[in-house]
Amino acid sequence: AQSVTQLGSHVSVSEGALVLLRCNYSSSVPPYLFWYVQYPNQGLQLLLKYTSAATLVKGINGFEAEFKKSETSFHLTKPSAHMSDAAEYFCAVSGGGSSNTGKLIFGQGTTLQVKP
Amino acid sequence: KAGVTQTPRYLIKTRGQQVTLSCSPISGHRSVSWYQQTPGQGLQFLFEYFSETQRNKGNFPGRFSGRQFSNSRSEMNVSTLELGDSALYLCASSFRDRGTDTQYFGPGTRLTVL
Repeated sequence: AQSVTQLGSHVSVSEGALVLLRCNYSSSVPPYLFWYVQYPNQGLQLLLKYTSAATLVKGINGFEAEFKKSETSFHLTKPSAHMSDAAEYFCAVSGGGSSNTGKLIFGQGTTLQVKP
Repeated sequence: KAGVTQTPRYLIKTRGQQVTLSCSPISGHRSVSWYQQTPGQGLQFLFEYFSETQRNKGNFPGRFSGRQFSNSRSEMNVSTLELGDSALYLCASSFRDRGTDTQYFGPGTRLTVL
């Protein structure tokens, strides 16, 4: 069975500081991993995805994530936080293949607060 | 391309009623998945449809059902509504890319059950 754990339900950083949101996964098959962001009263927006092409994945809005198989991690980072980054962030895993690709398993989410 | 659209955006129902939510996928996307989002349970997968067939199903009671039409538009139905069905229902459409589906989400339908 696949699962995702996001460490820290709330993360607070100052504007301009490094953003680090942690995600660990469990999967019995090679995983496909995603990070989504959700702003209040909106749906989920795809930030980036890992599909085994490269371990360091660059996404939109200056975010990137590194896949580390040995640590079963896929942490999201951004060098310098902006006020507009305040939102809820979700890490998700899918199993790939022909039978399981349309089902995402989500972590519980991390709310990012950016202080001026 | 236009994004995923969901209608209605907000809905208020009473216990025991039924409700139908609609989702129009991004043009060219053949897979549609549905998720329920609540503060307590987070984001949970309901089901996925591909080419008018249910391909995956989550762990929800039979009161939750869905279908997909030949134009890939999808509907989900919840019968005999319960207070606990109050949630944000998200629809996502996807296409196959490098071995997996990349899902793009709509804005959601906020359902309140009184």
